Amino acid sequence: KNEVEQSPQNLTAQEGEFITINCSYSVGISALHWLQQHPGGGIVSLFMLSSGKKKHGRLIATINIQEKHSSLHITASHPRDSAVYICAALKYGNKLVFGAGTILRVKS
Amino acid sequence: SAVISQKPSRDICQRGTSLTIQCQVDSQVTMMFWYRQQPGQSLTLIATANQGSEATYESGFVIDKFPISRPNLTFSTLTVSNMSPEDSSIYLCSVLNEKLFFGSGTQLSVL
Repeated sequence: KNEVEQSPQNLTAQEGEFITINCSYSVGISALHWLQQHPGGGIVSLFMLSSGKKKHGRLIATINIQEKHSSLHITASHPRDSAVYICAALKYGNKLVFGAGTILRVKS
Repeated sequence: SAVISQKPSRDICQRGTSLTIQCQVDSQVTMMFWYRQQPGQSLTLIATANQGSEATYESGFVIDKFPISRPNLTFSTLTVSNMSPEDSSIYLCSVLNEKLFFGSGTQLSVL
């Protein structure tokens, strides 16, 4: 079993829909990162969470430390949100473990 | 924040040759990370590069194949040595400075 599990693997949504991507981890962590990777593009850090909830524009990230679970939400989704979303758990000792990624496609 | 310049952005290489990838950071960082991302896969850590000491390699990666230099706190190189088609991949450098920052990646194709 992978230390970081993401779901779903693939997600297709209509423009305007509310989207949720989930990340579960089985190890002790100091923080959890959400990343965005566009096709042919680089990787951008969206959030770093150690507790609670963060919001940036239409993106919201939450983490429940007790349940070892994090979610990334996208409100009012748009085709430009189409990308791969990756969660990465930062283990103690600064070692990152990556989820397999969620391929999101938002159709207009 | 940190801005990372990575080059080359892509290269096509012959089997048996070597390629050196460079990453320059616009601020001093203690640890730099080198990753490989194979098509359709997530990132796999190759090694952690610390200034002034040997890089720490992950299981499955060895110094002879992926030598790393870290001459100062803003620069690092990764060499992919004696390449084979199995080395075709995207290679990325990254730093952790509160948030994660990545270079733009090097798309390597080995013929």
